[in-house]
Amino acid sequence: GEDVEQSLFLSVREGDSSVINCTYTDSSSTYLYWYKQEPGAGLQLLTYIFSNMDMKQDQRLTVLLNKKDKHLSLRIADTQTGDSAIYFCAENPSGGYNKLIFGAGTRLAVHP
Amino acid sequence: GAGVSQSPSNKVTEKGKDVELRCDPISGHTALYWYRQSLGQGLEFLIYFQGNSAPDKSGLPSDRFSAERTGGSVSTLTIQRTQQEDSAVYLCASSFKYNEQFFGPGTRLTVL
Repeated sequence: GEDVEQSLFLSVREGDSSVINCTYTDSSSTYLYWYKQEPGAGLQLLTYIFSNMDMKQDQRLTVLLNKKDKHLSLRIADTQTGDSAIYFCAENPSGGYNKLIFGAGTRLAVHP
Repeated sequence: GAGVSQSPSNKVTEKGKDVELRCDPISGHTALYWYRQSLGQGLEFLIYFQGNSAPDKSGLPSDRFSAERTGGSVSTLTIQRTQQEDSAVYLCASSFKYNEQFFGPGTRLTVL
């Protein structure tokens, strides 16, 4: 079946790196996504990785994909208070269109 | 328009009443999606439209839920005989074909 799991809470100190982990089940997913949801705001696509890639870097963000273990991670370097939000991992299972299956979200709290 | 808009932003209703939630996608976006976000949960896929047709309604929780899309644009999600477990934030997203989904701000539904 389709299921995406992620830890619910992460607390880091400002300036440290944050690593948010996710496991997914559908090995045929073409893309894997990270979305960010700030309080009172809609979901914003943060980054994504194509399933044939192992790593993608975008400024402070690094996405690592281990297809064998169906494990996805998001690393935020030099975490800032503005990074405090809920981060959702999502997979795009096979089906020919962009239906997304989301995890429950990881709440990232950044403290001074 | 500038982005996906949804109305109303908040809806409080009594158990047993019908509600209609509206989504205005980004102009020109062919695909439209409805998701539901219950408290502390991830986003749950409800239904997908390509144009005016809905090839995937697999996420609709019961036959009390229905949705339509007209003119390849506006979509309405209708919940009949609302129940307390229907309380959630209902999110709409649109995309051009299979590209990035852009999310609206959501409608927060509270069933008393």
